Amino acid sequence: GENVEQHPSTLSVQEGDSAVIKCTYSDSASNYFPWYKQELGKRPQLIIDIRSNVGEKKDQRIAVTLNKTAKHFSLHITETQPEDSAVYFCAASIRNDKLIFGTGTRLQVFP
Amino acid sequence: AAGVIQSPRHLIKEKRETATLKCYPIPRHDTVYWYQQGPGQDPQFLISFYEKMQSDKGSIPDRFSAQQFSDYHSELNMSSLELGDSALYFCASSLGRRQGGYTFGSGTRLTVV
Repeated sequence: GENVEQHPSTLSVQEGDSAVIKCTYSDSASNYFPWYKQELGKRPQLIIDIRSNVGEKKDQRIAVTLNKTAKHFSLHITETQPEDSAVYFCAASIRNDKLIFGTGTRLQVFP
Repeated sequence: AAGVIQSPRHLIKEKRETATLKCYPIPRHDTVYWYQQGPGQDPQFLISFYEKMQSDKGSIPDRFSAQQFSDYHSELNMSSLELGDSALYFCASSLGRRQGGYTFGSGTRLTVV
């Protein structure tokens, strides 16, 4: 079955710097790759997603890139703010079905 | 806009008791997914339903069962509860398995003592 690896597990950046989180997936049939932000005890919140027919997608300070050949995708957050501090999960889905999550990255943005 | 409703929000049970978690998907969403998230862990897929039929099964223990009803709401039944079942349980719904676009509920925090 699908397996998703995520790095790093923790990431500390200074406010205003960029943050990059990387994920790799194992099943080449995966075609949907969402990113979620989760605050303690809260539900995962979708922040951006990308489908396999697109290589890059951007939404204000957030961007995601997908390399299908290498089977990896990355989240880029620019101009980080303290409120960006949370746990971020990548996920992969085959044919838009169940999500297989990465192990999460705890992002801390220091003012 | 209506979201995915989960009840109860919090539940405390003793070992070996049973628990029932409920999920009400967004209106017209026909697919429901259940995930279990232990402390500091990523959400793990348990089971899913499409058009009231079980569509996929993940790491769901035999002590757990679930179903989707005619109004598309779903219930997760958990028996012989163990301490290790303490977790956040999320339900997500989507419109058709081909379209993605999951929406998560607020979750049920189950504590087994």
